[in-house]
Amino acid sequence: AQSVTQLGSHVSVSEGALVLLRCNYSSSVPPYLFWYVQYPNQGLQLLLKYTTGATLVKGINGFEAEFKKSETSFHLTKPSAHMSDAAEYFCAVSEFSGGYNKLIFGAGTRLAVHP
Amino acid sequence: GAVVSQHPSRVICKSGTSVKIECRSLDFQATTMFWYRQFPKKSLMLMATSNEGSKATYEQGVEKDKFLINHASLTLSTLTVTSAHPEDSSFYICSARLILAGLTSVYEQYFGPGTRLTVT
Repeated sequence: AQSVTQLGSHVSVSEGALVLLRCNYSSSVPPYLFWYVQYPNQGLQLLLKYTTGATLVKGINGFEAEFKKSETSFHLTKPSAHMSDAAEYFCAVSEFSGGYNKLIFGAGTRLAVHP
Repeated sequence: GAVVSQHPSRVICKSGTSVKIECRSLDFQATTMFWYRQFPKKSLMLMATSNEGSKATYEQGVEKDKFLINHASLTLSTLTVTSAHPEDSSFYICSARLILAGLTSVYEQYFGPGTRLTVT
């Protein structure tokens, strides 16, 4: 079975600083990888995804992630944090099981942005 | 973009009663929807895969008789929590699968806003 590990359950940065949220996965096949953001008491919104092709993926709100097969990583970055980026972030890998592609989520990283 | 709604957004019910949560894909048809449960400050746990016109596929450890899923149309799936107990209190999130480019292997899941269930 595939799995996702997010290093750091809490990350705190200053406004304007670099955001780096780490995600490592385990997969026996080429993975589809996703980053989602969740604001309090809301559902998940897709930030970006990697399926095939270019390994550097750009998403919404200035986020991007790079798929590194050799490191089995898909870290999420943003050059300059904004207060509105404070939220919970989930990395996910798609797993084919029982006839369906299912999303396996990491435990999540709560991002805090302080002035 | 693809929009998924859930109703109700919040519900409080008494122990022993049943509660139904609806998940709708508003501008696309979804043959497959997923139901997740999220505990406070925890990740999402997949409960079941809901298939239009057929029985749901439940994940290991999820009681199918307690969490009844019905996917009667291409835009609606319902989750009914039967004989609810306080330990069923949680945040329930659904998602709908949108197949891209006509290929079942290329798709995205769009998530609803979630339903906060509190059982007293």
